[in-house]
Amino acid sequence: GAGVSQSPRYKVAKRGQDVALRCDPISGHVSLFWYQQALGQGPEFLTYFQNEAQLDKSGLPSDRFFAERPEGSVSTLKIQRTQQEDSAVYLCASSFQGAQPQHFGDGTRLSIL
Amino acid sequence: GDSVTQMEGPVTLSEEAFLTINCTYTATGYPSLFWYVQYPGEGLQLLLKATKADDKGSNKGFEATYRKETTSFHLEKGSVQVSDSAVYFCALSEDGYALNFGKGTSLLVTP
Repeated sequence: GAGVSQSPRYKVAKRGQDVALRCDPISGHVSLFWYQQALGQGPEFLTYFQNEAQLDKSGLPSDRFFAERPEGSVSTLKIQRTQQEDSAVYLCASSFQGAQPQHFGDGTRLSIL
Repeated sequence: GDSVTQMEGPVTLSEEAFLTINCTYTATGYPSLFWYVQYPGEGLQLLLKATKADDKGSNKGFEATYRKETTSFHLEKGSVQVSDSAVYFCALSEDGYALNFGKGTSLLVTP
């Protein structure tokens, strides 16, 4: 496709469940980013991949959060034992090579009950 | 650490009014600066950027100048349209990849 694709668009889970969020970046984009956007706030950086290598995961809030990009294309953000504070929109972005501009997907809105 | 501060919204303007959305930043080095826009129901889009002091970014009638002496990157447009109604985010990147966003400013333009 032409843009960054994220799925699902909406996810509702019960507290304690595991969830997996998918990101399909723009074809040929080497760099991939995950951000978390709480209601009424700006996006906050979670993690960054260059190809399959995770170069920065300093923004992941806890060890319940895990991201992977095994073949350097599609990425999955996994959250284990979800908590209510994990409720947010999770944004994926990709860029041709590290440097800007970053192209954003429409996000996955995660609600933890 | 790096941070971005934007004026709080919502901002409500009449069509054809002049727009300014203030943005100031703190950084240890020389970051690149960006404005992103999020239209209702859509994802974030890059509006404009500037990579060094005194650079002016411009797009779709919007402008912002990288002012190192005042650590600012204010967004301006001379005549807003209803279609400019959106949330605007100021952001910086010091390491060349991660973006550090402000909280966003909601703009509503009325006919």
